[in-house]
Amino acid sequence: GAVVSQHPSRVICKSGTSVKIECRSLDFQATTMFWYRQFPKQSLMLMATSNEGSKATYEQGVEKDKFLINHASLTLSTLTVTSAHPEDSSFYICSAGAWGEDTEAFFGQGTRLTVV
Amino acid sequence: GENVEQHPSTLSVQEGDSAVIKCTYSDSASNYFPWYKQELGKRPQLIIDIRSNVGEKKDQRIAVTLNKTAKHFSLHITETQPEDSAVYFCAATGGFKTIFGAGTRLFVKA
Repeated sequence: GAVVSQHPSRVICKSGTSVKIECRSLDFQATTMFWYRQFPKQSLMLMATSNEGSKATYEQGVEKDKFLINHASLTLSTLTVTSAHPEDSSFYICSAGAWGEDTEAFFGQGTRLTVV
Repeated sequence: GENVEQHPSTLSVQEGDSAVIKCTYSDSASNYFPWYKQELGKRPQLIIDIRSNVGEKKDQRIAVTLNKTAKHFSLHITETQPEDSAVYFCAATGGFKTIFGAGTRLFVKA
């Protein structure tokens, strides 16, 4: 299947700082990418849909000013957690969809964010 | 909004027995139903999927069934092994938007 690379895999940051997470589709162009958050022992919760060249669509309850999403090219979407707080500590994972008959979502490796 | 319900939340079986996980979805536009296995600290891995024009699909010890009228789909694992122990997520996709179930933690006891 297609490859989606997410970086970094782990990051520890101080409270109040910002953290950027990158999601790249390596062997296909992804006009749409998705960002999920997964708290321990919970499911993946969709945060936002990232569309290349346009503004992201955020799910209800997700602060768009706190979780900045940029999808500047067909192979890269970034999620920036601004002014991070300990409650933002979570597993963040992206996925990219490939157009056509197959609508499978290909996932990145995930980023474990710890805010201290 | 769209919703996917998954049951049970925890399932414990003896090695060699079968395990069944059930999901229901609300969005009638969903047309693709993947199942993911997630081991601790790792990304979800696709194990099997089914499309809305198919009622059943099998891959070795794993099978999925789909009842589109009732909006139900299920995962069946036969002859379970300890390495099947993980969290399993069902999902429903419509227009690339994938909504996940809450997950089922499967324990396979040797």
